[in-house]
Amino acid sequence: AQSVTQLDSQVPVFEEAPVELRCNYSSSVSVYLFWYVQYPNQGLQLLLKYLSGSTLVESINGFEAEFNKSQTSFHLRKPSVHISDTAEYFCAVTPPHYNTNAGKSTFGDGTTLTVKP
Amino acid sequence: GAGVSQSPRYKVAKRGQDVALRCDPISGHVSLFWYQQALGQGPEFLTYFQNEAQLDKSGLPSDRFFAERPEGSVSTLKIQRTQQEDSAVYLCASSLGASSINEQFFGPGTRLTVL
Repeated sequence: AQSVTQLDSQVPVFEEAPVELRCNYSSSVSVYLFWYVQYPNQGLQLLLKYLSGSTLVESINGFEAEFNKSQTSFHLRKPSVHISDTAEYFCAVTPPHYNTNAGKSTFGDGTTLTVKP
Repeated sequence: GAGVSQSPRYKVAKRGQDVALRCDPISGHVSLFWYQQALGQGPEFLTYFQNEAQLDKSGLPSDRFFAERPEGSVSTLKIQRTQQEDSAVYLCASSLGASSINEQFFGPGTRLTVL
């Protein structure tokens, strides 16, 4: 069984401030980790993912997330946010491809990031 | 190319009615997923197909829910005798390969309201 907890349902920040969106997970097996973003009136889209290797992964628009196995966390950070980053962010875990439950992703309840001018 | 499309975008049903929700995945995508998203919550896994094979349906909440993908492309999620607790957004996603390392591409969802 696996679960995902996003510790903050709403995060308001001012433009150009740093932000961290927290994600903790639990799983009886190793998992792949994902962050998805949903902009207003749009579908979910992948922001970044951790499969293996370097624990720090980056997106093309300046977000990064670090996999911490000992703390079972995958927090999302950005050093300076823009108004256009206003969206809902979902953390998700998926069993690896060799697991019989490989297709079964578990999502957190989301964090609404609101960037104010 | 076109993304994942879902129809209808909105559906209002009277309690007890049957509904059918359609998903058109990205052409050539092997894997297809259905999720249920209640208000204020994240997507909850319902079922998963690889081509026409339904590999996991452990998330379907009851035997009133049924999904199919007969030709390995378009998929339909059917809900029989709808109940108020079925009200939610139903999301479909597809991915290119069979492996869970692949990115899932999501459709816009169908918002189902059961009165």
